[in-house]
Amino acid sequence: AQSVTQPDIHITVSEGASLELRCNYSYGATPYLFWYVQSPGQGLQLLLKYFSGDTLVQGIKGFEAEFKRSQSSFNLRKPSVHWSDAAEYFCALYNFNKFYFGSGTKLNVKP
Amino acid sequence: GAVVSQHPSWVICKSGTSVKIECRSLDFQATTMFWYRQFPKQSLMLMATSNEGSKATYEQGVEKDKFLINHASLTLSTLTVTSAHPEDSSFYICSARTPGLADKETQYFGPGTRLLVL
Repeated sequence: AQSVTQPDIHITVSEGASLELRCNYSYGATPYLFWYVQSPGQGLQLLLKYFSGDTLVQGIKGFEAEFKRSQSSFNLRKPSVHWSDAAEYFCALYNFNKFYFGSGTKLNVKP
Repeated sequence: GAVVSQHPSWVICKSGTSVKIECRSLDFQATTMFWYRQFPKQSLMLMATSNEGSKATYEQGVEKDKFLINHASLTLSTLTVTSAHPEDSSFYICSARTPGLADKETQYFGPGTRLLVL
């Protein structure tokens, strides 16, 4: 069975610092992986997705994620965080027309 | 990008009443919409897949008579929580799928509806 784990419930970083949000998945084949961001009162917005090919994926708002099959991971990174990045981030795996979401990581950004 | 709206964004109701939540795709036609439920500090869990003009497909463990889904048009799906009880209190999120190849589809998510049953 497939599943997605986001080990960190809350993360706080200072504005301008680098960011890495962890995501681990369990799936037997090559997964389709996504990162979404949700701001309060907003829908989930797609940041980036991985289907195949280059394991380093670039997304919107300066985010990137790296697919590492050996570690079953798809961590999200940003070199310099902005205050507007404060939100909740969800990693998801897509299989047979369904999304399987992690429980989310809430990002706080300190001034 | 495409926009999906939900109405209402917040609803409080008494136990035993029914609540209807609307999900609309504002600038595209969605043949398929999805309903998710999210408990605090937990994942979004898919409840059902709603196809325009046909019956919804419910996930295992989701009571179809409890959560009525209607997808009467290409831009509107509704979720009705019948005879709501406090344990139905949750955050309900819909998404709409744009047409395209199944392995490269994109779903657009609504902002969610928070339901509190007293």
